[in-house]
Amino acid sequence: SQELEQSPQSLIVQEGKNLTINCTSSKTLYGLYWYKQKYGEGLIFLMMLQKGGEEKSHEKITAKLDEKKQQSSLHITASQPSHAGIYLCGARPINAGGTSYGKLTFGQGTILTVHP
Amino acid sequence: DADVTQTPRNRITKTGKRIMLECSQTKGHDRMYWYRQDPGLGLRLIYYSFDVKDINKGEISDGYSVSRQAQAKFSLSLESAIPNQTALYFCATSDRESQPQHFGDGTRLSIL
Repeated sequence: SQELEQSPQSLIVQEGKNLTINCTSSKTLYGLYWYKQKYGEGLIFLMMLQKGGEEKSHEKITAKLDEKKQQSSLHITASQPSHAGIYLCGARPINAGGTSYGKLTFGQGTILTVHP
Repeated sequence: DADVTQTPRNRITKTGKRIMLECSQTKGHDRMYWYRQDPGLGLRLIYYSFDVKDINKGEISDGYSVSRQAQAKFSLSLESAIPNQTALYFCATSDRESQPQHFGDGTRLSIL
């Protein structure tokens, strides 16, 4: 089965610092999705990556998918307290026939704290 | 109004009780999902449905059942609740296979 490992599990930074969260898969990723969750609330979709080498940015957040499509990184530039929360990566696994089941497997999440 | 609405938002109940969590959506999506979230374990899929007549088990379906009453409604039931089902439950919807899932705000369920 698809397994996603996120690192680090938690991260504490000072406001203004840059940071990176990684998501590593045991299998090739058909699609990689990044979500943000504030404590006790729902998940907010951030970005979707599908092609090897793809990179997307939204405001100060950049996500990349490596060429082999087994690792993704989420980079936040000049972090702010509003970036605090739990970041989760989700992926669609590929079956033996080369297609996706259409359901997501999630990493365990990275808890980000940003001190003002 | 939220596109994906879960009710109730919080529920405290006792072991052995039957509980139903409801999810409704206004996004017009065919695909709906139920997940549970536990600290340190991320989200785990309980059941999913790709249309009204389609129900599929996820990785942790034991102790749960679902009903897809209409395209817009997908309910999750715990027939006889037990304490280790205490968790945060999320409903999600998606359009096509490649599109991201959209989540409700969750139901915090505590079983004493």
